[in-house]
Amino acid sequence: SQKIEQNSEALNIQEGKTATLTCNYTNYSPAYLQWYRQDPGRGPVFLLLIRENEKEKRKERLKVTFDTTLKQSLFHITASQPADSATYLCALDESNTDKLIFGTGTRLQVFP
Amino acid sequence: KAGVTQTPRYLIKTRGQQVTLSCSPISGHRSVSWYQQTPGQGLQFLFEYFSETQRNKGNFPGRFSGRQFSNSRSEMNVSTLELGDSALYLCASSLSTPPGEQYFGPGTRLTVT
Repeated sequence: SQKIEQNSEALNIQEGKTATLTCNYTNYSPAYLQWYRQDPGRGPVFLLLIRENEKEKRKERLKVTFDTTLKQSLFHITASQPADSATYLCALDESNTDKLIFGTGTRLQVFP
Repeated sequence: KAGVTQTPRYLIKTRGQQVTLSCSPISGHRSVSWYQQTPGQGLQFLFEYFSETQRNKGNFPGRFSGRQFSNSRSEMNVSTLELGDSALYLCASSLSTPPGEQYFGPGTRLTVT
């Protein structure tokens, strides 16, 4: 069956460290993968999109990698800050339908 | 540019009633997608509209329907509400289809009692 898996447990890290979140998928062949941030009671906010032919993408303190062989994306936040605390969702396109399918998200908590 | 707006923000209905939710996309965006978010199931795709045509539909019963108007505004309707329909309903707009990056509204929190 098709699955997108993100760590269901919260990730707790100290301010200043690098946070690394994982997104693994099974039985999908996405053309691209996206990462979103969601704060409680709000809609998700788009962060980064990476295409299947791109290995890595960066935006300020954010970095995303995409390994289509491992069927995995890693999302890094360097020099993390308490303001980065939120739930992070990965999403990929279901290639035969173009639907955007979301993972269940990983809650990141950055403490001072 | 104004963001995606959704109305109403909160709604309480009883079982068996029907409900209509509204979404206004970012100006110039022609694709509107709807999602249901619950703690147990996460964010689940309901449907996508582009230029007034339903382009994609998720695995939801026929009680869930939607439409898009010529100005790209969209509505979704849920008939014969069930307790399990309680959720946050999110609308997202995108410039084109298939949707790349999506811009989400704040959501409508629906509670069915």
